[in-house]
Amino acid sequence: EVQLVQSGAEVKKPGESLKISCKGSGYNFSKYWIAWVRQMPGKGLEWMGIIFPGDSDTRYSPSFQGQVTISADKSISTTFLQWRTLKASDSAMYYCARQGAVVAGYWFDPWGQGTLVTVSS
Amino acid sequence: QSALTQPRSVSGSPGQSVTISCTGTSSDVGGYDYVSWYQQHPGKAPKLMIYDVSKRPSGVPDRFSGSKSGNTASLTISGLQAEDEADYHCCSYAGNYIFAVFGGGTTLTVL
Repeated sequence: EVQLVQSGAEVKKPGESLKISCKGSGYNFSKYWIAWVRQMPGKGLEWMGIIFPGDSDTRYSPSFQGQVTISADKSISTTFLQWRTLKASDSAMYYCARQGAVVAGYWFDPWGQGTLVTVSS
Repeated sequence: QSALTQPRSVSGSPGQSVTISCTGTSSDVGGYDYVSWYQQHPGKAPKLMIYDVSKRPSGVPDRFSGSKSGNTASLTISGLQAEDEADYHCCSYAGNYIFAVFGGGTTLTVL
């Protein structure tokens, strides 16, 4: 079964750093792009960026460029989303999602279960 | 890149059909046949319902269908059932660097 499993919920203070993870299984991890998607409370989905674990080629949404870092370690089939300095406005649910197909697979399936990040003093 | 435009909410009675629109530009929806739709129940992760404008993954009922005309894509749900009540999000490929843009989401209420 193709699966993405994300790390658990986090509670942090403003100014702290954070790295959350998304581990893939059941497929060739290196060959599929993996996206990170933000969902703020009561809001829609926002595409943050995407990484190709095979060579760590990474693309960012202009809205998130410079605000977060996406990385991958293909040896452990895991991608990461990292903040150096958290703000209260980073409080949200974060999902990882796999590209649907190796060639022209411009959809996302499956999705991870989500990681809730709460930033509060 | 701006978000795609979806109605905030739609509603319908059991057995009826509803259509949710998703309007973008020639740089996303209008430029590629790569629109996908996701269903999200409260507290759950999104689930793929339609990809490549009109293709259904295995396991998705044929009551769900997708289409596109110009810069607007649509998701139609026929024979509404109570379990269809959820949020629906559209998404479009937007090129090699932006890759994807989502709509603001539509809440479907089954009356």
